[in-house]
Amino acid sequence: GAVVSQHPSRVICKSGTSVKIECRSLDFQATTMFWYRQFPKQSLMLMATSNEGSKATYEQGVEKDKFLINHASLTLSTLTVTSAHPEDSSFYICSAGSTGATEAFFGQGTRLTVV
Amino acid sequence: KQEVTQIPAALSVPEGENLVLNCSFTDSAIYNLQWFRQDPGKGLTSLLLIQSSQREQTSGRLNASLDKSSGRSTLYIAASQPGDSATYLCAVRAGGFKTIFGAGTRLFVKA
Repeated sequence: GAVVSQHPSRVICKSGTSVKIECRSLDFQATTMFWYRQFPKQSLMLMATSNEGSKATYEQGVEKDKFLINHASLTLSTLTVTSAHPEDSSFYICSAGSTGATEAFFGQGTRLTVV
Repeated sequence: KQEVTQIPAALSVPEGENLVLNCSFTDSAIYNLQWFRQDPGKGLTSLLLIQSSQREQTSGRLNASLDKSSGRSTLYIAASQPGDSATYLCAVRAGGFKTIFGAGTRLFVKA
């Protein structure tokens, strides 16, 4: 299957700082990318959907000013957690799909710890 | 609104046992259904993907079935091994690539 690379795999940051997570499709053009969040022992919850060149669509309850999503190219989407707080500590995973494909492919996730 | 439910939430079995994990979804208008494996602190590993027109998919000791009309899927694991211990996630895809996940079944296979 296609490869989606997510970076970094782990990050620890101080409360109040911002953190950027990258999601890259390595061998296909991702027209749509999704960002998910997973709290301990819970399932993945969709945060937002982004189409290349368009503003992201956020799920209900997700603060768009706190979780900035950029999908400026067909191979890269970024999620920036602004002014991070300990409650933002979570596992973040992206997925990417291309028009006409049968499935989306997932990155390996980023473990964010805010101290 | 699509909701995905997985039963049981946790399962502990002795090595060698055959087992079934269940997944149900509320809206039968799905594009496909996918089963994933997630090890603690890790990302997702895709196990099987069933298109809406298909009834089942098999890979090695794994078999997944889909009954779209009743909103159900099962993942059958034959001759379980300790290495199968993980969380198994069921996910359904509607139009586009939007994927809704179940809460998962945490499986522990005892040696």
